[in-house]
Amino acid sequence: DIQMTQSPSTLSASVGDRVTITCRASQSISSWLAWYQQKPGKAPKLLISKASRLESGAPSRFSGSGSGTEFTLTISSLQPDDFATYYCQQYNSNSRMFGQGTKVEIK
Amino acid sequence: EVQLVESGGGLVQPGGSLRISCAASGFTVSTNYMDWVRQAPGKGLEWVSMITSGGSTYYADSVKGRFTISRDNSQNTLYLQMNSLTTEDTAVYYCAREAPHGGGQPIDYWGQGTLVTVSS
Repeated sequence: DIQMTQSPSTLSASVGDRVTITCRASQSISSWLAWYQQKPGKAPKLLISKASRLESGAPSRFSGSGSGTEFTLTISSLQPDDFATYYCQQYNSNSRMFGQGTKVEIK
Repeated sequence: EVQLVESGGGLVQPGGSLRISCAASGFTVSTNYMDWVRQAPGKGLEWVSMITSGGSTYYADSVKGRFTISRDNSQNTLYLQMNSLTTEDTAVYYCAREAPHGGGQPIDYWGQGTLVTVSS
């Protein structure tokens, strides 16, 4: 199975900060990577697909990049609504593994 | 409007079985890839199982041989049969739809989740 590793596990930041989360795959997944945002008690929400495609309704301050085994999610200017946990997921193989998550906390 | 509504969660003893359901509306389950994803209390998301539009099924190693994903096309419903449950299976179980247009898509719709608690 392809393993997904996110870093950091927790990130403390302030409103207005630029934030970057990294996701690494144990083998190449081309660009078959998604990013989700989850808030407590809620189902995840799709933000980015195919590594860099911003989904309808997702704010433009979110962007994704990367291919192969290394990917990043960037929030250009952190807003109060962005404090949440973020997950990457690969959908290149039939085992749709998630990263372990990155919690973005208020500094 | 696409909706996914899970049901059937509850308390079950270790070693027991439970079947959870996901009633879909606004689209056809049988023409989409569907997943079950779980989240243990305070933990991250864990992919559990997938059924393709063609009916092929896939499982995480942690549930292989114990869980079975299936669908009822006439009811437009997805199921997860869970056997030989352990305390490690305690989690909120989400039903999820992968975006249409071919295999290998991200999840675009999620249910609200159903809590399965395995405890004596």
